[in-house]
Amino acid sequence: IAGITQAPTSQILAAGRRMTLRCTQDMRHNAMYWYRQDLGLGLRLIHYSNTAGTTGKGEVPDGYSVSRANTDDFPLTLASAVPSQTSVYFCASSATGGASYGYTFGSGTRLTVV
Amino acid sequence: EDKVVQSPLSLVVHEGDTVTLNCSYEVTNFRSLLWYKQEKKAPTFLFMLTSSGIEKKSGRLSSILDKKELFSILNITATQTGDSAVYLCAGIYGNKLVFGAGTILRVKS
Repeated sequence: IAGITQAPTSQILAAGRRMTLRCTQDMRHNAMYWYRQDLGLGLRLIHYSNTAGTTGKGEVPDGYSVSRANTDDFPLTLASAVPSQTSVYFCASSATGGASYGYTFGSGTRLTVV
Repeated sequence: EDKVVQSPLSLVVHEGDTVTLNCSYEVTNFRSLLWYKQEKKAPTFLFMLTSSGIEKKSGRLSSILDKKELFSILNITATQTGDSAVYLCAGIYGNKLVFGAGTILRVKS
């Protein structure tokens, strides 16, 4: 693989269920991010990680958790899904300090909570 | 609160037209501004602008940043149907991006 891989590509989930969205990158980027994209609201940052072992909250962190056990993987977990978490989720990465040539995005996961 | 505002929200033009997309920002500790094009899936990188007044160009697309007035524009000349997409503008603060809501561009043949 080259870049960022997200899985699954889409999912329909019953409300109240737990779900983990997977994100793996092979570029050895230090920083990784999770965004959600909703019509009319653009991309909003959920959580981020500047380096392995550290995480931080973004603009809309409630209901989500992340972990960064190593450089390559940055899973996003919904502990108990609610319909308002229906969205398209993008994982992204950048080299240290964001000084790289833009940010690289995965292809997204379309999640529907019913 | 850091904010990025894009206008217009949507735009329909005919092939061959020239379009200008706008992005204004209020970003604490502003570093750079990015433009992305999003078609079906992941946003793809277009430009990163760090210095004011220096135009960046790629084919029919060009962009410029005004750090005094806190805005950027993205120009597309001689538009083609393949330019139809959502165009996203984002400001970098620290190591994070703040995105605008995007401009939906539709180019009719």
